[in-house]
Amino acid sequence: QVQLVQSGAEVKMPGASMKVSCKPSGYTFTGYYLHWVRQAPGQGLEWMGRINPHSGDTDYAQKFRGRVTMTRDTSINTAYMDLSALRSDDTAVYYCARDRSGTTTGYFDYWGQGTLVTVSS
Amino acid sequence: EVLLTQSPATLSLSPGERATLSCRASQSVSNYLAWYQQKPGQAPRLLIYDASNRATGIPARFSGSGSGTDFTLTISSLEPEDFAVYYCHQCSDWPMYTFGQGTKLEIK
Repeated sequence: QVQLVQSGAEVKMPGASMKVSCKPSGYTFTGYYLHWVRQAPGQGLEWMGRINPHSGDTDYAQKFRGRVTMTRDTSINTAYMDLSALRSDDTAVYYCARDRSGTTTGYFDYWGQGTLVTVSS
Repeated sequence: EVLLTQSPATLSLSPGERATLSCRASQSVSNYLAWYQQKPGQAPRLLIYDASNRATGIPARFSGSGSGTDFTLTISSLEPEDFAVYYCHQCSDWPMYTFGQGTKLEIK
């Protein structure tokens, strides 16, 4: 069955960088776009961007451009999301999510379990 | 950026009742709209995509309707496991995907 397993919770200092990994299984890694969505405590969902695991091409929400980098390693079927210059309002649960279609639709049919990143001094 | 406004913020109903949740877009998103269910401590779950198509494994009591700027998620007869937060999501405005602020469906 399809699963997306993310790395564990982290605590970061303001100004530092974070890197969250997402390892899908149960399907062809390069066949579906992966998206990153975050959720601040008690708040709603916010789309951050996407990566095409086949080509490595990325698209980022304007809000995060310049601070976010999404990559993948096809040798180990893992995707990564780096966010730099962290602020307290970056404290959130970060999710990776699979696009439901190989041609990308913007709908997310499988999600990782989420990674809580806390930014605090 | 397309703003999605969900109403009501909280909906209090009893099991067996019909739930109607609304999502209004600030500009037309055609039918590029999805609904997700989220329970505490869990990732969201895709219920409806393209405004009215049920995702794989979603019970028939969930239905979606609408196009353009006004959308509705209907749960025909609430089951105990349906009490959760529901989000609408548009993927028409590329690359500015946005979500609504959520509707909490609680047990009355």
